[in-house]
Amino acid sequence: DVKVTQSSRYLVKRTGEKVFLECVQDMDHENMFWYRQDPGLGLRLIYFSYDVKMKEKGDIPEGYSVSREKKERFSLILESASTNQTSMYLCASSFIEGVTYNEQFFGPGTRLTVL
Amino acid sequence: DQQVKQNSPSLSVQEGRISILNCDYTNSMFDYFLWYKKYPAEGPTFLISISSIKDKNEDGRFTVFLNKSAKHLSLHIVPSQPGDSAVYFCAASTTGGYQKVTFGIGTKLQVIP
Repeated sequence: DVKVTQSSRYLVKRTGEKVFLECVQDMDHENMFWYRQDPGLGLRLIYFSYDVKMKEKGDIPEGYSVSREKKERFSLILESASTNQTSMYLCASSFIEGVTYNEQFFGPGTRLTVL
Repeated sequence: DQQVKQNSPSLSVQEGRISILNCDYTNSMFDYFLWYKKYPAEGPTFLISISSIKDKNEDGRFTVFLNKSAKHLSLHIVPSQPGDSAVYFCAASTTGGYQKVTFGIGTKLQVIP
């Protein structure tokens, strides 16, 4: 079974703090994604990566950065946390197989609260 | 501008009856569509998908229908079971392009025993 793990289930941080959210997958997937889920807004893509050290902006990258130094690990960084970044953060991964779409496998999520 | 729209935030259905969840999209470049199910405190899990070259895909109790001319898809669950109670996300993608997926806002399904 594919397993995507996230470093914390719940996190509480102060405004202005630098926050690291870690995601690890164990299936040698090329693609990794970071989403946030908010009521009434669904899942919105923040950043994704299709290879080590490669990254692409998603729909809402402002206030975030990412790092992918190893294939299995994708980190989301909030450089200076703000209250509007309080959200559920979901990491996902998937294979690349030619041009055929492959399902994304999600981690359990990190509920981040910024006070 | 939402490219994938789920206009019903919630749906209640009696156990054993059919659940129909609807989804509309605006981007004509989408050619692959998926449904994900999400339980509270868990990540979404893939449920079923359909390519734009088909108009129907079936997997057990779950069937997805695609109407390209109307840019509409629907998920049918028959018969509905209490364990189906979850939030269902419709998603769309274009093949290639690193498989970036656009999700709808979700529909919360409650199946009443």
